[in-house]
Amino acid sequence: GIQVEQSPPDLILQEGANSTLRCNFSDSVNNLQWFHQNPWGQLINLFYIPSGTKQNGRLSATTVATERYSLLYISSSQTTDSGVYFCAVAPYYGGSQGNLIFGKGTKLSVKP
Amino acid sequence: NAGVTQTPKFQVLKTGQSMTLQCAQDMNHNSMYWYRQDPGMGLRLIYYSASEGTTDKGEVPNGYNVSRLNKREFSLRLESAAPSQTSVYFCASSEPRTGERNGYTFGSGTRLTVV
Repeated sequence: GIQVEQSPPDLILQEGANSTLRCNFSDSVNNLQWFHQNPWGQLINLFYIPSGTKQNGRLSATTVATERYSLLYISSSQTTDSGVYFCAVAPYYGGSQGNLIFGKGTKLSVKP
Repeated sequence: NAGVTQTPKFQVLKTGQSMTLQCAQDMNHNSMYWYRQDPGMGLRLIYYSASEGTTDKGEVPNGYNVSRLNKREFSLRLESAAPSQTSVYFCASSEPRTGERNGYTFGSGTRLTVV
């Protein structure tokens, strides 16, 4: 099955710093989403981005489907950005577009 | 606007006991999902329901059953709980091909411990 690898596994930042999280996937996808899991366990959908670039405030994401990777950019990080960021994909061939395969996540800690 | 509601939030079971996790969504989504999350891991799909009246196995279905009771409700049943089923369970709903975020919304999770 499709493999999803996220890097780095852990990231510690000082408040105000910028960061880039990477997601590599091993096959064509028809769905790619980024999620943030806050320290209380709640999962929030950040981006639906099977291709192209999107921005939402201090966050932006780019997916290069032909090269099978996606990047999540966090600018001017805040302590509230702490948590785990997950990339999740649905394979292009077979299955439902909504059946997501998750990476293991990047744990981000933003220090004041 | 509750989104996706899961009950209970916490549960401790003895090995061999049974229980049902409840999930309801009020967003009129067609698709619903059950995932489990183990420490240091991403989420893994247990079962899904692409639409009312249909259910299918995901990545890790063994030891579980599901029921799509109606468009709003999707329950997950453990018939004979095992310690390996200790995990955090998340229900989600989505409406593929509509909306900027694919409409993917998670419940707040159920933390299940099997002793």
